Amino acid sequence: EAAVTQSPRNKVTVTGGNVTLSCRQTNSHNYMYWYRQDTGHGLRLIHYSYGAGNLQIGDVPDGYKATRTTQEDFFLLLELASPSQTSLYFCASSGLGGQFAETLYFGSGTRLTVL
Amino acid sequence: QQKVQQSPESLIVPEGGMASLNCTFSDRNSQYFWWYRQHSGEGPKALMSIFSNGDKKEGRFTAHLNKASLYVSLHIKDSQPSDSALYFCAVMNTGGADRLTFGKGTQLIIQP
Repeated sequence: EAAVTQSPRNKVTVTGGNVTLSCRQTNSHNYMYWYRQDTGHGLRLIHYSYGAGNLQIGDVPDGYKATRTTQEDFFLLLELASPSQTSLYFCASSGLGGQFAETLYFGSGTRLTVL
Repeated sequence: QQKVQQSPESLIVPEGGMASLNCTFSDRNSQYFWWYRQHSGEGPKALMSIFSNGDKKEGRFTAHLNKASLYVSLHIKDSQPSDSALYFCAVMNTGGADRLTFGKGTQLIIQP
């Protein structure tokens, strides 16, 4: 089964702080995604990428940057964190993506609290 | 923009009973559908997919799809306490996997 590893598992920062969430997948998947999960909103797509150096904007991108440095690694950056970004963040990957209907494989999540 | 709505928000079912989860979507171009399950403290995990109208059965789980009615459902037979989880419906348009839209989820509780 596809392995997606996120770090850290928990993170607490203050308003205006700088946060980087990390994600690594070891299955040679092309597509990687960042989602946030909030009660009453389900899973919402922040950014995604279909390869190293590529970045696509999702549905709720404001306040977030992302960078895909390699096939395996995808980072989510919050440069001026705000309390509204307190959430549970998930990274996911899928093999081919694009027009292929494929299952997403999720990591275990990072719980971020912005005080 | 695609809207995916799930009902009910929460559901309590006795152990051994049948759980029925519903999902409606708004885009008639929707082609592919998944049910994801998330246990507490974990990431979501794909439970099953359905791409054609009708029923698809995998063990105790049956998914039903009616594209014309913009409706997909999941039925869990002989529910077990381990089925207690948050269930998401996910819909993909013809545009590709980058447009996968999730519903808000149904919290299923199986009472022993």
